[in-house]
Amino acid sequence: DTGVSQDPRHKITKRGQNVTFRCDPISEHNRLYWYRQTLGQGPEFLTYFQNEAQLEKSRLLSDRFSAERPKGSFSTLEIQRTEQGDSAMYLCASSLRGSSSTGELFFGEGSRLTVL
Amino acid sequence: AQSVTQLDSQVPVFEEAPVELRCNYSSSVSVYLFWYVQYPNQGLQLLLKYLSGSTLVESINGFEAEFNKSQTSFHLRKPSVHISDTAEYFCAVSANFGNEKLTFGTGTRLTIIP
Repeated sequence: DTGVSQDPRHKITKRGQNVTFRCDPISEHNRLYWYRQTLGQGPEFLTYFQNEAQLEKSRLLSDRFSAERPKGSFSTLEIQRTEQGDSAMYLCASSLRGSSSTGELFFGEGSRLTVL
Repeated sequence: AQSVTQLDSQVPVFEEAPVELRCNYSSSVSVYLFWYVQYPNQGLQLLLKYLSGSTLVESINGFEAEFNKSQTSFHLRKPSVHISDTAEYFCAVSANFGNEKLTFGTGTRLTIIP
């Protein structure tokens, strides 16, 4: 078990470009979450999946954002036509929902996006 | 929906002194409560949690927190801090059913003064 991994760790892009982030959760975890964290703020919930189904999306997730988890394993978060306000740390977390659930989310180290 | 308030954005403390980081929450349903820690250049790590049972929970590195339902609080305490405790601390809450989505506070930056 290598924990939750995210790629890339840093991304610098120009306004208007598209970017994609990848998250590989802990292998046996069936739930996967995306959060966004800006400077001086706590992480804000964006969306979550149970297996391949996207069960909830925050109002923070505009139409330019799309997330997928096609096979119930890794997930991607794509931002189209990036804006400077999208600059943030994008965090992925996973958890095991079931009889042995402890309520704990395990976080990756995040992908930092800078939009110029 | 749930919300979390961490009133102190920064807390400077002398090494070996005690510290308390405050957390208050709001929820219309029963909750789970968590403290996560973020060390410099690292991801969020779970420090301790309250799910049920004893209202006093402890971490392996000397922190403790007490769930107070009447005051809707979950303050974090340590009797004697070390330089290595320098980090940002986030209080979080989730409903004790459903999607386990965490709602975080804005964080408290703990700085230890040698």
